[in-house]
Amino acid sequence: DTAVSQTPKYLVTQMGNDKSIKCEQNLGHDTMYWYKQDSKKFLKIMFSYNNKELIINETVPNRFSPKSPDKAHLNLHINSLELGDSAVYFCASSRGWGAENIQYFGAGTRLSVL
Amino acid sequence: KNQVEQSPQSLIILEGKNCTLQCNYTVSPFSNLRWYKQDTGRGPVSLTIMTFSENTKSNGRYTATLDADTKQSSLHITASQLSDSASYICVAHGSSNTGKLIFGQGTTLQVKP
Repeated sequence: DTAVSQTPKYLVTQMGNDKSIKCEQNLGHDTMYWYKQDSKKFLKIMFSYNNKELIINETVPNRFSPKSPDKAHLNLHINSLELGDSAVYFCASSRGWGAENIQYFGAGTRLSVL
Repeated sequence: KNQVEQSPQSLIILEGKNCTLQCNYTVSPFSNLRWYKQDTGRGPVSLTIMTFSENTKSNGRYTATLDADTKQSSLHITASQLSDSASYICVAHGSSNTGKLIFGQGTTLQVKP
């Protein structure tokens, strides 16, 4: 029944490792997002896909690579993890990418890099 | 620089009391303003969304106001309940062409019995 689901919920890993976070939405939405919430709790957009096409790509290290195999999925792969990557990562989706659309968020993935 | 500032940073109130959270934004061009509620360990959930032409919008015990001239918004919570304990985030939509949102830092509200 979960509208936007992310896995895993917690991820603890060593510096230098490569990891992936998966996101799936069952709302039939066309647009999906990845956000990073830092220790100060600000949420910042990282990427946005509309119908599997990248439409927002903020200033994010190229170690972060999103992949959207279909409209319902947007995965985030992170190479060579660094301490500063520790944060909570949220996936979200919306019906479309216009200003009027409400975004629905997943529960978040708490990434800890040791 | 597009940004959203919220006050207070944290707030403690007794159950049954009312409270008002404040938000100032400097986002241009401005499309709409949203309030989200984020429970601990969960993702944000939308409470209200207002365009620049709307002054107030209610969602149950939550009432949001918007003054597009002064670029200020407030969220009023009436007859608070323990379940209102959460972080409340003010979010400005800075463009009409993309889904890019500018988030405030949030106000952490604790409702005590």
